[in-house]
Amino acid sequence: DVVMTQSPLSLPVTLGQPASFSCSSSQSLVHSDGNTYLSWFQQRPGQSPRRLIYKVSNRDSGVPDRFSGSGSGTDFTLKISRVEAEDVGVYYCMQGTHWPLTFGGGTKVEIK
Amino acid sequence: EVQLLESGGGLVQPGGSLRLSCAASGFTFNNYAMSWVRRAPGKGLEWVSAISGNAASTYYTDSVKGRFTISRDNSKNTLYLQMNSLRAEDTATYFCTKEVRVAANWGQGTLVTVSS
Repeated sequence: DVVMTQSPLSLPVTLGQPASFSCSSSQSLVHSDGNTYLSWFQQRPGQSPRRLIYKVSNRDSGVPDRFSGSGSGTDFTLKISRVEAEDVGVYYCMQGTHWPLTFGGGTKVEIK
Repeated sequence: EVQLLESGGGLVQPGGSLRLSCAASGFTFNNYAMSWVRRAPGKGLEWVSAISGNAASTYYTDSVKGRFTISRDNSKNTLYLQMNSLRAEDTATYFCTKEVRVAANWGQGTLVTVSS
């Protein structure tokens, strides 16, 4: 199985400051169809997960442009340019290239 | 607007069975592969199972193979997860998702508790 490793486990952030999350995979996530199926999800307390980014860098409709995704192959990053209070929650990466699909362990964001 | 509404969760004894349902609306259901994903208390997300749009292909994580069966009724726009031989470690909130490889949309989840 492809192992997805996220860091850090926990990220205390200051409002208005940037934040960065890392996700690495044990194998390349480039699919034979040419796509890289790496997505990022946000799960706020008490809510369902919500997709923010798909195929590495495509931001979902309604997601603030302060969120951006980048990376290739096995190393990926989610960045928040200026953290807001509503960004508190757990962030997960997921690979959809190889069976079984796998998630990273998550990064918990809290406000300092 | 895409809507996914899970139901069927509850308290069940170890070794028991449950069938989860996910009612879908707002999109052409049979055009999309669907998944079940779970989150155990205090843990992260875990992909459980997926099914193609025409139900010809199904996929499972190793820990549920032989115990869980995913299916769909495209005439009813509904996804199912039949869970047999349930174990304490299956306790989780179960979510259905649209578009397997990118999990575009998620339901609100249904809680399954396996306990005596």
